[in-house]
Amino acid sequence: DGGITQSPKYLFRKEGQNVTLSCEQNLNHDAMYWYRQDPGQGLRLIYYSQIVNDFQKGDIAEGYSVSREKKESFPLTVTSAQKNPTAFYLCASSTTGGKVPQHFGDGTRLSIL
Amino acid sequence: DQQVKQNSPSLSVQEGRISILNCDYTNSMFDYFLWYKKYPAEGPTFLISISSIKDKNEDGRFTVFLNKSAKHLSLHIVPSQPGDSAVYFCAASDSNYQLIWGAGTKLIIKP
Repeated sequence: DGGITQSPKYLFRKEGQNVTLSCEQNLNHDAMYWYRQDPGQGLRLIYYSQIVNDFQKGDIAEGYSVSREKKESFPLTVTSAQKNPTAFYLCASSTTGGKVPQHFGDGTRLSIL
Repeated sequence: DQQVKQNSPSLSVQEGRISILNCDYTNSMFDYFLWYKKYPAEGPTFLISISSIKDKNEDGRFTVFLNKSAKHLSLHIVPSQPGDSAVYFCAASDSNYQLIWGAGTKLIIKP
């Protein structure tokens, strides 16, 4: 079955540490997205990538970095510069030309120790 | 400043009755609207969408209505089933294709 796999499901970070969230898709989708969800709020776009080796900042990119070296993979690094990283992170993908997310992973919940 | 608002954090409906979830927006440049459904510990799944050139779109038990003059859309689920219990997100996009999401409404279907 095609889909999006996010790992790990739960992640704990110490202060001052960088952590990387994995997102892999086997849907052959060109576009991939990272969203952040906080309690009582809608999803907010962190970064998106329409094609390999290209990505753009979303609304809340500060303190985050991404790479898109392969079509299947779009890892998100939460850096120590992100002062409030505790949140639920969702990765999504869509077909070429479809710039709204069609499929989502099950998310990674990041907490600070 | 929330451009997409879902003013009801939760809604409880009897099984078999109609569920109506509401969403208001402020940006008149939005031209495409979507509803997503989310179960606990899972990512959202796309449910139904509507373009601003239409005022209604139907897919089985799900119908979305768009009132552009009121900047309001609603999702109707008829009849409501226990499996419909989930959080429903409304989202809107403009020509730049960036989605703006509402905070979600938790729908509870009572047996």
